[in-house]
Amino acid sequence: DIQMTQSPSSLSASVGDRVTLTCRASQSIGSWLAWYQQKPGKAPKLLIYKASSLESGVPSRFSGSGSGTEFTLTISSLQPDDFATYYCQQYLTYFTLTFGGGTKVEI
Amino acid sequence: EVQLVESGGGLVQPGGSLRLSCAASGFTFRTYWVTWVRQAPGKGLEWVANIKQDGSEGYYVDSVKGRFTISRDNAKNSLYLQMNSLRAEDTGVYFCARLRVGTLGGLDVWGQGTTVTVSS
Repeated sequence: DIQMTQSPSSLSASVGDRVTLTCRASQSIGSWLAWYQQKPGKAPKLLIYKASSLESGVPSRFSGSGSGTEFTLTISSLQPDDFATYYCQQYLTYFTLTFGGGTKVEI
Repeated sequence: EVQLVESGGGLVQPGGSLRLSCAASGFTFRTYWVTWVRQAPGKGLEWVANIKQDGSEGYYVDSVKGRFTISRDNAKNSLYLQMNSLRAEDTGVYFCARLRVGTLGGLDVWGQGTTVTVSS
């Protein structure tokens, strides 16, 4: 089974900061990676698909990069609405999906 | 409006059963894979099960194989999760989500979640 590892598990940042989150896969998944944002008590929201494609309606300050086993999500200028937990998820096959453990972005 | 709405959660004793439902609207349900994802209290997201468009095959995380069954009724635009032999570790919020296949990918539409509590 493919394992997804996110780092750090949490980070503290300020409004306006550039923030980079990392996700590593235990084996190559090509570009079959998505990123989600989740706020407390809410469903996750798709931000990025296919490693670097921005989902419609998502602000351009979010960007994704990487392929194979190493991926990053970057927020170019952190906004108050961005304080949340972020998850990566691989979908190399649709038969099994795996989420990373999450990165909580705090003030 | 594209929407998924879960129902059926509740309190159940260990060893008991529960059936979750997810009602889809605003899109052509029969053309999408759909998924159940759960989240234990204070924990991360865990994929539980997927089902293909025609309902012919379901796929499961190892921890629920043999206990949970995913199914769908395309005529009713509905997804189900039959959960048997429930354990305390099955407690959490269960989300249904729409899975895009092909060149896009990702779970792009989510329900609000339904809470399952397994406790005596």
